[in-house]
Amino acid sequence: QVQLVQSGAEMKKPGSSVKVSCTASEDIFDLYAVAWIRQAPGQGLEWVGGIIPFYETSHYAQKFQGRVTITADKSTNTVYMELTGLTSEDTGMYYCARDSNPGAPRRGLWNWFDPWGQGTLVTVSS
Amino acid sequence: DIVMTQSPLSLPVTPGEPASISCKSSQSLLHSNGYNYLDWYLQKPGQSPQLLIYLGSNRASGVPDRFSASGSGTDFTLKISRVEAEDVGVYYCMQGLQSPHFGQGTRLEIK
Repeated sequence: QVQLVQSGAEMKKPGSSVKVSCTASEDIFDLYAVAWIRQAPGQGLEWVGGIIPFYETSHYAQKFQGRVTITADKSTNTVYMELTGLTSEDTGMYYCARDSNPGAPRRGLWNWFDPWGQGTLVTVSS
Repeated sequence: DIVMTQSPLSLPVTPGEPASISCKSSQSLLHSNGYNYLDWYLQKPGQSPQLLIYLGSNRASGVPDRFSASGSGTDFTLKISRVEAEDVGVYYCMQGLQSPHFGQGTRLEIK
């Protein structure tokens, strides 16, 4: 059963950037995409974007366009999410998840998120 | 954007009793391929979300058969036939047809 392991908690200043990693326990990138989902403290879930590593194609939620970059290193089975121009509203838990529906993300269909990483807490504070 | 609306937002349930959560989308989630791009997730306290149901009505691997889901187009329902203590948490529906969007969440608690 594949596992997704994320990097540790981050404390950042407003205006700075953060880069969070998500490493798969086995090689899944030839077949699957990876999504990033955010959860503000005490709030619901929000899709940030995702990447199809095999095609080196990323999709972003409109809200984060221009501020987020999702990349993949297929040699290490690792996906990265970088968010720039941080404000206090970016504070929250960031999760990665495998999109388990092969081929669907290429058609703009993102779903079937399983499994999820353990989450990375990003705190933005002066 | 496709907006997802869940009800109720809070659901107190007696163990052994059934529970039902509704999820409505502002646009049809039925793709031309015949699948509804609607998932259900459960986030247990202090944990990452976990997949319960994908493509409208398919139980994910390892999900107990007391969980079932139905619906098509814009109206969907998640049902738990007999609630157990371990089912406590927040349930989210999510549409994947256009730029994924989650519902507000329904908090299930034990009476």
